[in-house]
Parts: sequence; structure tokens; C-alpha cells
Amino acid sequence: GENVEQHPSTLSVQEGDSAVIKCTYSDSASNYFPWYKQELGKRPQLIIDIRSNVGEKKDQRIAVTLNKTAKHFSLHITETQPEDSAVYFCAARDTASDMRFGAGTRLTVKP
Amino acid sequence: GAVVSQHPSRVICKSGTSVKIECRSLDFQATTMFWYRQFPKQSLMLMATSNEGSKATYEQGVEKDKFLINHASLTLSTLTVTSAHPEDSSFYICSARMGTGNTIYFGEGSWLTVV
Repeated sequence: GENVEQHPSTLSVQEGDSAVIKCTYSDSASNYFPWYKQELGKRPQLIIDIRSNVGEKKDQRIAVTLNKTAKHFSLHITETQPEDSAVYFCAARDTASDMRFGAGTRLTVKP
Repeated sequence: GAVVSQHPSRVICKSGTSVKIECRSLDFQATTMFWYRQFPKQSLMLMATSNEGSKATYEQGVEKDKFLINHASLTLSTLTVTSAHPEDSSFYICSARMGTGNTIYFGEGSWLTVV
């Protein structure tokens, strides 16, 4: 089955700096890669996703890149703000299986 | 957007009793619902997948007789923690998928404390 690894587990940046979180997956059949943001005690919120036929996708300050050959994808947050502080999860899914989540990255943006 | 509601948001129960958590899709029919468990500062661990009208598929290591899942309709799935013990205390979250699409929608989560 699919195995998703996520790094780093914690990340601290200064307000205004960029943050990058990386994930690798094991199943080459996976074709959908979402990123979720979760604040303490709340539901995960989908912030961006990418499908395997696309190499990059951007939505304002958030972007995701996908390298199918290397089986890794990354989340990029630019101009970070304190409200970006949360836990971020990557996930991977193929059409035959259900979504598998990475271990999460706790992002702290210092004002 | 699609809304998934989970109830109760917090529940405290005595050791040995059972507690039921409900997950409802409010504005769409959820052919598949998922149940996760999340310990503090840890990731979402998939417990089971349920399809409407059929038995749930449990992940390895999850006791199906302890965590009873029912998905009787296209808008409701329930998780019953039977004979709860303090180690069952956790944050339980459900999610729902519409049809065979990729997007899943999460419920608000339920904090279970077993005393």
C-alpha cells in the first residue's frame, strides 16, 4: 500500500519568510496529492491539491510542486504570516485506494 | 462547499461504557465515509472505511468489535466505541467522499475522554 513520508516534523520561520514542506510517496499509481491545514482541535482544511498530470499549481501565497519521477511533492508558502501557524498534512491517493496522510509538519511563524 | 457535521464535539464517559459518535453529510450523499483517530501532535490514522449499506473495512490493528461502524444511509455513519478504556481517549474525526471523486470533506472532530 501507499506510504507517505513528510519532512520536517517542525518548522519555525520568521514572518515574511518562505516555508517549504516536503513529502514523498511510495506508490507510483498515486495520482492525487492534497495538502491540509489543521489548527489545534479543529478539522483539517484542504488548502491546495494537485493531480499527477500537473507539475505545479499556485494559489496566491501557496504553491505545490510535484515530481512524479522522484515521487515527491512539496508545499511552498511565501510571505508567511502568524495565522499560517498550524499543522500541515500532505496526502496521496490512487483511484483504487484511500488517502494516506503524512505525519504532519507543525509550522510556527514568529511575528 | 460540502459540509460534514460530527456530533458530539466533546464527550466524557466512564470506563467500561460505550459511546456513539455521529457523522453526517449535510448537503451531499456520501457514498464513502472514513473514520480517523488522532493523538495529540500526531497525524490522522485511518481506522476504517465504510461504504453505505455494506460492512466497514478496518485497517490493520483496529479492533472491529471494539470500534463498531455503521453506515446505514448515504448521509450518516456512526462510530461506537464499546467498553471504552482510558487509552481510547483521543480525537476522532470522520470524513466523507462524494461519489468516486478525490476530494474528501472532514467533520469537526470529537474529543473523547474516558475516565
